Amino acid sequence: QLVLTQSPSASASLGASVKLTCTLSSGHSTYAIAWHQQQPEKGPRYLMKLNNDGSHTKGDGIPDRFSGSSSGAERYLTISSLQSEDEADYYCQTWDTGTVVFGGGTKLTVL
Amino acid sequence: QVQLQESGPGLVKPSETLSLTCTVSGGSISNYYWSWIRQPPGKGLEWIGYIHYSGVTKYNPSLKSRVTISLVTSKNQFSLKLSSVTAADTAVYYCARAPCSGGSCYMSNFDYWGQGTLVTVSS
Repeated sequence: QLVLTQSPSASASLGASVKLTCTLSSGHSTYAIAWHQQQPEKGPRYLMKLNNDGSHTKGDGIPDRFSGSSSGAERYLTISSLQSEDEADYYCQTWDTGTVVFGGGTKLTVL
Repeated sequence: QVQLQESGPGLVKPSETLSLTCTVSGGSISNYYWSWIRQPPGKGLEWIGYIHYSGVTKYNPSLKSRVTISLVTSKNQFSLKLSSVTAADTAVYYCARAPCSGGSCYMSNFDYWGQGTLVTVSS
């Protein structure tokens, strides 16, 4: 079964960097994912599509501070030079024939 | 710039049918997958289903018996109907677009989202 696992919460200081993790279930380690950001009281916003080789395609207007990388079944979102507006929920998403799956989301707190 | 906008009643009575429409502007319905996703208060995202511009639909198995998604190509719209609703269907409902991937036009990542609309199920 295709499942995405995310840690419920993360925190980092203003101006620092943070690396969020999304883990694909066994047997699905080559799948691409997408990262989406959801700021408080707003709808989700597409950040990037991340392939298993680490290559990624960002959405319109996404700053260079956001980058993606991959290792095995893990997909990472790194945010550098953290700003207050980066405090948000971050969801990973993947897909297969006839289905779409979301991770449970990681709530990022900027200290 | 592509924009998606959900519309429909904000309050639905238990056992009735929830009906929402997503209007797409700034782009064509063609060559994309169009999805509905929902988010109960304080919870995560749940995919409801999608329709391909060809008319092919796929639904979340947990909702399949109650869901219908359809396209109105001439109006650049697609719609959601969810029947026999209960309080557990109270959520913010989002529409979203996913481009075709590969030569065979497979489903892929969502790249544009609507702002969402809150639907409350209550008598």
